[in-house]
Parts: sequence; structure tokens; C-alpha cells
Amino acid sequence: LAKTTQPISMDSYEGQEVNITCSHNNIATNDYITWYQQFPSQGPRFIIQGYKTKVTNEVASLFIPADRKSSTLSLPRVSLSDTAVYYCLVGDDYGQNFVFGPGTRLSVLP
Amino acid sequence: SAVISQKPSRDICQRGTSLTIQCQVDSQVTMMFWYRQQPGQSLTLIATANQGSEATYESGFVIDKFPISRPNLTFSTLTVSNMSPEDSSIYLCSVRGQGNQPQHFGDGTRLSIL
Repeated sequence: LAKTTQPISMDSYEGQEVNITCSHNNIATNDYITWYQQFPSQGPRFIIQGYKTKVTNEVASLFIPADRKSSTLSLPRVSLSDTAVYYCLVGDDYGQNFVFGPGTRLSVLP
Repeated sequence: SAVISQKPSRDICQRGTSLTIQCQVDSQVTMMFWYRQQPGQSLTLIATANQGSEATYESGFVIDKFPISRPNLTFSTLTVSNMSPEDSSIYLCSVRGQGNQPQHFGDGTRLSIL
């Protein structure tokens, strides 16, 4: 299983871009990388998923280098409501070998 | 994405008893999973709920302690058996479609054992 590491916490100010990196050195060929946001008393909410290079949607971008041993979630212009815990998940198509990262607690300050 | 409902949302139980948690999805899904999340911690996969067959458990989790049912493509249950205070945790259900579709989660069941 791909072991993942993330920074425990990060602070940012409103309007700034935030980049959170997840390391997954032994990622397998079939593994995808997915990022989730979790607020207190709620389940994780899907943000973005990718396999390689760059993926962008309406809320975030995901950068994955060629060796795929890390990934970076980029949140443009964060607001106070982006204060949450962010998890990376590495796993394959077949519903097995899922490993959640330890999570990064992002605090957005006014 | 699918709407996932978990029941109960929270409960307080006596040690030695068992509790069954239900997960209902508003559409048919290929895969359903059960996770445990201890306070302030990340999520740990307990098992994959297989429709029509026995669940597939991760290392450290056994069927006698966490029996799982999945009678159809929209419903699953997780039972936490013979509970002890160490079982106090949040239990989450997730679902996903075929291929590389992402998982989507319910809001969890917050379980406290006295």
C-alpha cells in the first residue's frame, strides 16, 4: 500500500493561493490520487482527482509530477469557509488498497 | 453525485452491546465501503461491502467484530459487536461507481461507548 504523508497544518490569509502537498513515494501504477475536504461533523467531500500531470476544476487544481511520488492541491484565493481538513487518498480502480493521508488542517485567517 | 444517508447519526451505547449502522444510497452503486475515523485522526478502511457475498476486510478488522451486509446495490449495514470504549469513533460509509470514479461519503455515525 502507498504510504502517504502531508503537513499537519497550514495557515493562510483570505485571498491567498494555498498549496498542500502529499507525498506517496511507493504509489502503484494503477493508483489514482484524490483529494477531499472535511468539515467538523461531516463526511469528506470530494474536491479533485487525477492520475498524472495537471487537472483543474471549478474549485481547485491538482499537480502531479512525472514520477507521481507526490501531488499538490492548489486552492486559488481561499476564503474563511475553506478552513477545514484536507486529505489525499491514493488508491486503485478496483476498490482496494486505499490509503488516506494523515490530513492537513488548513486555517484561513481574515 | 449520489446522496448517502447514514442512520443513526449518533448514539451512546453500553459496553458489551452491539449497534447496527445503516447506509442508504439514492442510486445503485458498484462499490460500498466502511471506514472508521477516530477523533482528530484520518480515515481507516474497515472493509469493502460486496453485494451478495461476504465483505472483504482490511488487516486488523474481522467479521466477528464488524459484520457487514449488502443485500442490494443501494444499501449496506455495519454492525459493531460487543462494544468497548475503544470502539468510540466515527463510522463512515462511502460509495463509488465503476472505474476510477471518486468515492463519496455519508456524514458518518458518531458512536460513544460508556
